[in-house]
Amino acid sequence: AQSVTQLDSQVPVFEEAPVELRCNYSSSVSVYLFWYVQYPNQGLQLLLKYLSGSTLVKGINGFEAEFNKSQTSFHLRKPSVHISDTAEYFCAVSEGREYGNKLVFGAGTILRVKS
Amino acid sequence: GAVVSQHPSRVICKSGTSVKIECRSLDFQATTMFWYRQFPKKSLMLMATSNEGSKATYEQGVEKDKFLINHASLTLSTLTVTSAHPEDSSFYICSARDDRDQETQYFGPGTRLLVL
Repeated sequence: AQSVTQLDSQVPVFEEAPVELRCNYSSSVSVYLFWYVQYPNQGLQLLLKYLSGSTLVKGINGFEAEFNKSQTSFHLRKPSVHISDTAEYFCAVSEGREYGNKLVFGAGTILRVKS
Repeated sequence: GAVVSQHPSRVICKSGTSVKIECRSLDFQATTMFWYRQFPKKSLMLMATSNEGSKATYEQGVEKDKFLINHASLTLSTLTVTSAHPEDSSFYICSARDDRDQETQYFGPGTRLLVL
């Protein structure tokens, strides 16, 4: 069974600074990887996904992530954050159709952007 | 595109009553939808996988008679919490898998349930 570890429960950062949110996974098969963002009292919004192809994936709101198979990581990055990026970010992994496309989520990382 | 709605967004009910939550895919067809539960300051826990025209598949530890799921059409799944108790209070979130892109789930805005 797969698992996802988000190493930081909270990440404080100043506005316009770069940020990296870390995500590591474990699985015995090939995986699909996702980052979702959740604003307070709302559902999850898809930021970006890796299914295949280029390991550098660009998403919405200026975010990008890089799939590193050897390190089983999928870290999320943004070169310059805004106050509006304050939210909780979830990394998720799926083992694909053969396993029911179920998503397993990490514990989440709260990004707090300070002015 | 890929919009999922949930109704109601918030519900308060008395202990012992049943509550129905609807999940709709607005601009795509979804043979498969998922129901999650999220506790405060916690991640999402998959409760069940809902398939149009067939019985839902429940995760281990989730009572199927307590959480009734019906997936009557390609755009609608419902979750009914039967005989609700205070411990059922939670944030329930659905997601829908676009039939054209079966690897990606799109999430609804969630339903906050408070059982008194």
